[in-house]
Amino acid sequence: QVQLVQSGAEVKKPGASVKVSCKASGYTFTGYYMHWVRQAPGQGLEWMGWINPNSGGTNYAQKFQGRVTMTRDTSISTAYMELSRLRSDDTAVYYCAREMATIPVGYWGQGTLVTVSS
Amino acid sequence: DIVMTQTPLSLSVTPGQPASISCKSSQSLLHSDGKTYLYWYLQKPGQSPQLLIYEVSNRFSGVPDRFSGSGSGTDFTLKISRVEAEDVGVYYCMQSIQLPITFGPGTKVDIK
Repeated sequence: QVQLVQSGAEVKKPGASVKVSCKASGYTFTGYYMHWVRQAPGQGLEWMGWINPNSGGTNYAQKFQGRVTMTRDTSISTAYMELSRLRSDDTAVYYCAREMATIPVGYWGQGTLVTVSS
Repeated sequence: DIVMTQTPLSLSVTPGQPASISCKSSQSLLHSDGKTYLYWYLQKPGQSPQLLIYEVSNRFSGVPDRFSGSGSGTDFTLKISRVEAEDVGVYYCMQSIQLPITFGPGTKVDIK
C-alpha cells in the first residue's frame, strides 16, 4: 500500500534553513506528483507547491517563491522540501501528499513539525 | 487566488443527527473538461487530513455512505446523514482548478 514516511521534528533558529524528507513506498515514485502542505499550530492548511518526481519540475506558491526548494532523489524514492530564511511564523507541521488520478492531494504523510525559535 | 469560505466554522452535533457544512469559492470550480475540482477532507484530532470526497460528490474508497457531497459552480455542501463519534475533527474544502491550490478555513465538528 502507499506509504509516505516523513523525517522527524526539527527545531531551527530564525534565519536558518530546514530540509524535510518524504520517503515513498508501495508505488512507482516517479509516476505521481508530490505536493507539500503546511499547517501552523491551530490553523488551517496551506499549499506550498508540487514537484514532478519524474522530471524534477516544480511549481511553488508565490508566497514561498525564493525561499522554498523541492527536490527528489529517485534512487531512494524520496522527496524533499527545503525552506530557507526561516521566521517564527514558519513554525508548522509540514506534510507531503501524493496525487492520485485527478486528485492532487490524496495520500498524506504523517507530517513533520518544524519549530522556529531563538 | 481563489478564496474558499466555509460556514459554519464550528458545529456541535448530537450523535445520530445530521450535519451540513457549506463551502463557497470566489470563482467557479467548473473546468472546461466538465469536472468540478472541489474536494472535502477530514482532519481527525492529532492526525493528517484524509480525503473524503473528490470532484464534489464522489466518495473516496472506504468512506462511509453517510457522507455525501453536492453543489456546483461556486456553492458546495458536505452532509453527514447521521453523525457518529468518529466523525469529530476539522473538515476542509479545497479547490484545485487553479494554482495555488487553496483550502477553506475549516469547520470544527464535535459531539454534544
